[in-house]
Formats: sequence, C-alpha cells, structure tokens
Amino acid sequence: GAGVSQSPRYKVTKRGQDVALRCDPISGHVSLYWYRQALGQGPEFLTYFNYEAQQDKSGLPNDRFSAERPEGSISTLTIQRTEQRDSAMYRCASSRLLGLAGDSYNEQFFGPGTRLTVL
Amino acid sequence: KNQVEQSPQSLIILEGKNCTLQCNYTVSPFSNLRWYKQDTGRGPVSLTIMTFSENTKSNGRYTATLDADTKQSSLHITASQLSDSASYICVVSPTGAGKSTFGDGTTLTVKP
Repeated sequence: GAGVSQSPRYKVTKRGQDVALRCDPISGHVSLYWYRQALGQGPEFLTYFNYEAQQDKSGLPNDRFSAERPEGSISTLTIQRTEQRDSAMYRCASSRLLGLAGDSYNEQFFGPGTRLTVL
Repeated sequence: KNQVEQSPQSLIILEGKNCTLQCNYTVSPFSNLRWYKQDTGRGPVSLTIMTFSENTKSNGRYTATLDADTKQSSLHITASQLSDSASYICVVSPTGAGKSTFGDGTTLTVKP
C-alpha cells in the first residue's frame, strides 16, 4: 500500500542495548512526526521534521533518544542504552504540508507502530 | 500546561444505539481540534477537524461539535455499528509555535 510503514513491527531487546526504529512516510509527505504511545493513552509527541530538518525535539525524554531524517524521507528513531521504561508503542506519522510547530491544519497519517519491549 | 481531557474513559453500547463522547481542553491559543479513530493495533485515522470558526462537522455517522468559548467538543456517533468499536482520540493544536496535545482517548465497544 501507499501508507506510512514502520519497521520492525515488534522489537524485543535487553536492557542496555541500542535500538533503531525506522519510519517510511507516505511518498511526497514533507513532515514526519514521532510519537510514543502507552497502552490506554493517546500518543505522546517526541519530535518532528520538515524535510530533513528537525524542527522540534522537545518531546524526546532524554539524551538517549535521537532521531534523524538525513534525506528528507525515511527517518530513524534511535534509543541508546535502552531501559525497561522505554517499553512502549512508537508511532510515526507523516503529513503532506509543512508542520507549523505542531500539526496546524495538516492531517497526519499514522503508521502501524513498532512495539518495543525492553527486558 | 496544555491539556486535553476525554470522557468517558470507556463506553459499551448496543449496536444501533447512539452515543456521545466528550473532549475538554485548555490548549491556548487554539487553532484546531481533530477527532481520530484508532482501531485496535492500528494507527489513528482522522475523522473530523474543526477550526475556531466551525462549530459542527460531519463525516457519515460521525458528527463533531465544538464550543470554543467553553473549550469543549463532542463526537456523536449515530446508529452505531460493530465496526465503530475503537478508541476515539481528541487532538487539539495551538496556533503559532506549539505541538498538538492528544487526549488519552475513549474506548468504545459496540456489542451485538
């Protein structure tokens, strides 16, 4: 399909390991968002990009979390030295128009998420 | 701090019945409010979006209302179907610099 895809869909890792989560946005979408969603809660904003530029990373919990989108398309969210509290669903979304420090009127299309479990 | 509160947390109704979900927010300055439907195991999908000047928006059997003065929104589902079983998330976006705030959602279960 032509939707947002994420990989892997499930990731189980041991505490202290690094993980990289990948997001493939809808082709042509210029804005890309990363969220973390705990069970029974709404998505929690982490960071977002317009093209390859990271616009807002205020939602990243700490410096173990980083994200990049070097060519303005695929993005990678990296968590270093994972901890059990990092276990969650990590969702990516993309939108066609520029995210004006928030999503303004732009509809965000969400991917299926990566379920991260840190043992 | 910008907040979005949704109620009820969960709701069970019989197929064919109507229901109304509530969303109260403190996000300011307000730009727009969006309702998402999130099926189990899937990402959220946008149902409706309303700006300050709009007080109602429909999408099939879904009708959203907005009262920007009281900072309240509702999502009314008419003649519910089993496929309406999902989590419904209210998202409020501010103007200018600021990220959207997501509510925790209302989990709706429609039973036959």
